[in-house]
Amino acid sequence: DAGVTQSPTHLIKTRGQQVTLRCSPISGHKSVSWYQQVLGQGPQFIFQYYEKEERGRGNFPDRFSARQFPNYSSELNVNALLLGDSALYLCASSAPLRASNYEQYFGPGTRLTVT
Amino acid sequence: DAKTTQPTSMDCAEGRAANLPCNHSTISGNEYVYWYRQIHSQGPQYIIHGLKNNETNEMASLIITEDRKSSTLILPHATLRDTAVYYCIVRVSNDYKLSFGAGTTVTVRA
Repeated sequence: DAGVTQSPTHLIKTRGQQVTLRCSPISGHKSVSWYQQVLGQGPQFIFQYYEKEERGRGNFPDRFSARQFPNYSSELNVNALLLGDSALYLCASSAPLRASNYEQYFGPGTRLTVT
Repeated sequence: DAKTTQPTSMDCAEGRAANLPCNHSTISGNEYVYWYRQIHSQGPQYIIHGLKNNETNEMASLIITEDRKSSTLILPHATLRDTAVYYCIVRVSNDYKLSFGAGTTVTVRA
């Protein structure tokens, strides 16, 4: 089975522009989470979606938005890009929610550079 | 969420066991201890998790103290490919997010 896939791998944008990042979860996984990882720091939680509904949101401005599609793939959109948005954006998928624990499986990330 | 404290970095000799400590003195009774690692330029990888009993899988062993205030991840025979940043995270079982700290940068040397 393929793992979590993300596209594009790398992206360069200019301040003020908008960007869309894409994620395909592992087959059978209905939950997708997005994280931002600035150089030298651990990943920071942005969003989680389950069955196309937002289940949680981290401390990020409204410039960040996301959605999940019927096939459980997801897009992360960032508007009005700032230099500080330069980071590795990670997508993670997890198995259908159940009472016990579940681990999240991460994709390779999209490296966004804002100039 | 309870916070964790890990050493910033540590070195390990190839072929030897690597013992990675984590302090989580404010952990709650329903919080699990998770370990992930991130090899350079890749996404984080799940390693192991536990509640209060010691756990072992094909990658590592997790030793949790009886009072659950600290734990140790053991890589039994470190290889060069184990060089990575290792994150210790505590979370409740149905929490939708992982709260990463700075982690421990582990360098395995030949």
